[in-house]
Amino acid sequence: DVKVTQSSRYLVKRTGEKVFLECVQDMDHENMFWYRQDPGLGLRLIYFSYDVKMKEKGDIPEGYSVSREKKERFSLILESASTNQTSMYLCASSSGRTTNEKLFFGSGTQLSVL
Amino acid sequence: SQQGEEDPQALSIQEGENATMNCSYKTSINNLQWYRQNSGRGLVHLILIRSNEREKHSGRLRVTLDTSKKSSSLLITASRAADTASYFCATDPPRQLTFGSGTQLTVLP
Repeated sequence: DVKVTQSSRYLVKRTGEKVFLECVQDMDHENMFWYRQDPGLGLRLIYFSYDVKMKEKGDIPEGYSVSREKKERFSLILESASTNQTSMYLCASSSGRTTNEKLFFGSGTQLSVL
Repeated sequence: SQQGEEDPQALSIQEGENATMNCSYKTSINNLQWYRQNSGRGLVHLILIRSNEREKHSGRLRVTLDTSKKSSSLLITASRAADTASYFCATDPPRQLTFGSGTQLTVLP
């Protein structure tokens, strides 16, 4: 079965900490995405990547960075966590060089910043 | 970014009834996809319909696409309590799929 694995289901961090959210997919997909989901706001795209070492900003990249050193792994980094980054974070991957076929999502990481 | 917008925001029906959700978008698309999300979990892909298709079926799901109206609908027939979830549409382009706030469907036993 195809799989997108997010390293943590729940995470509690302090304001100012550096936070790493890891995502690994086992489907050899070219495309990977990070979204955050907040009540009433739906899913918002933070960053995405179409290839190794390549990244592009989504709609809300401020306060975040990403790393894609290997095709299967896409990391989201909160350089200095703030309380307004408390959210559900969802990673996804897909195949397709020009258009997206279906996205496969991880189970999500519920991050609380205190 | 282009974004699919789902309507209604919330829908409550009795088990056995049909549920219809709608999605509107703004510009031309290659495909439109529907996803489902159970509470606190990731999204699961349900169905993809391409711009040259008008209707598609998958089990109890029926999706229609009207490119002239820039809209799609998702019909779930003979709903079950287990269909209770949020439903989202997403369009491509943009290649980085964007999602609306979803329709929260509650199926009452």
